[in-house]
Amino acid sequence: ETGVTQSPTHLIKTRGQQVTLRCSSQSGHNTVSWYQQALGQGPQFIFQYYREEENGRGNFPPRFSGLQFPNYSSELNVNALELDDSALYLCATSKGSDTQYFGPGTRLTVL
Amino acid sequence: EDQVTQSPEALRLQEGESSSLNCSYTVSGLRGLFWYRQDPGKGPEFLFTLYSAGEEKEKERLKATLTKKESFLHITAPKPEDSATYLCAVQATLGSDMRFGAGTRLTVKP
Repeated sequence: ETGVTQSPTHLIKTRGQQVTLRCSSQSGHNTVSWYQQALGQGPQFIFQYYREEENGRGNFPPRFSGLQFPNYSSELNVNALELDDSALYLCATSKGSDTQYFGPGTRLTVL
Repeated sequence: EDQVTQSPEALRLQEGESSSLNCSYTVSGLRGLFWYRQDPGKGPEFLFTLYSAGEEKEKERLKATLTKKESFLHITAPKPEDSATYLCAVQATLGSDMRFGAGTRLTVKP
């Protein structure tokens, strides 16, 4: 088990709503990356934060945004939810560009 | 563009029947190649990082190898508890993200 935790475990929202997902970093890890995983697919990179600054972004629209806090925990915010946003959202933490360790994920369902 | 292709998509083995999973990749300068195991509905669990061609790493019944174009995850005498989806990912030297393949879903029957 890693020291990475995510909340909530499951979430159900309706189209157009907004959602905030949270991630607590493993001790000593200063970098957090967020991924979206659709059923039967590999995780897709959303963005990464290093020392509270965005450090890279995948092919996701601006309605996906994030924050990293001084204690290295992080939030992923998604505005104007669409049905296709239904997925498992994963955060992974690391020391810089070293190996990333994943949390258990948040299952988001958009109705 | 960096790409990762895993094969086969699904693999069914009898307990004790050894086999290999393949991960083919193209990347503009490899920082690392990663193998993860993922159980249904859970986050990926780290297995191995490989950095250069010729490198090999082992853990229990698993052994990962790396060439300039592909990586193999060899499973020796698998047990039912090895059933999971195995994910391969690459990280480029210039870039912060990991690019994942779609995974190989392994089922080991007793």
